[in-house]
Amino acid sequence: AQSVSQHNHHVILSEAASLELGCNYSYGGTVNLFWYVQYPGQHLQLLLKYFSGDPLVKGIKGFEAEFIKSKFSFNLRKPSVQWSDTAEYFCAVNRASGTYKYIFGTGTRLKVLA
Amino acid sequence: NAGVTQTPKFQVLKTGQSMTLQCAQDMNHEYMSWYRQDPGMGLRLIHYSVGAGITDQGEVPNGYNVSRSTTEDFPLRLLSAAPSQTSVYFCASSYSAIDSTGNTIYFGEGSWLTVV
Repeated sequence: AQSVSQHNHHVILSEAASLELGCNYSYGGTVNLFWYVQYPGQHLQLLLKYFSGDPLVKGIKGFEAEFIKSKFSFNLRKPSVQWSDTAEYFCAVNRASGTYKYIFGTGTRLKVLA
Repeated sequence: NAGVTQTPKFQVLKTGQSMTLQCAQDMNHEYMSWYRQDPGMGLRLIHYSVGAGITDQGEVPNGYNVSRSTTEDFPLRLLSAAPSQTSVYFCASSYSAIDSTGNTIYFGEGSWLTVV
């Protein structure tokens, strides 16, 4: 069965620090990968997604993620975080064909100190 | 362009009561789903549908029913509410059930349910 692991449950950073959030998935076939963000009191919004091509994907608000197939990883990065990046971040995966269930990780709560 | 609309936004139920969370999308999306979000557990899939008349179970389907009589609507029914069903519920949809290009999921704004 597919699963997604996010190892960092809570992260606290100061503004301008660099961010890397880990995401590993378990599935041997071709997958689509996503990062979603949930700002306090709001619904989830797409940050970026990977489905093929360049494994380094750039998303909104300066975020990027790198798909490393050999490591089953899709880590999210941002070189310099801002206070407004305080949110919960979710990694998600679905198979590229066949079933269309999206499986989400447990989320990482990021707090950025001003 | 309403996107994904969920109602109600807040609800308090007594144990044993039944209720329906409504979800509608106006984007002609084939795929619709319901998730519950609990602290430390992320989003867990309850039920999903790949088209009108087709539904299937997700990770945590017990205690919930769904139906998909139209493309637009995907209501979630709690048959006999239990305190363990206190959660935030999100409806989500995406364009195509048959697409390998990584469909974006669009989420509703959430429904906060408390069962006492």
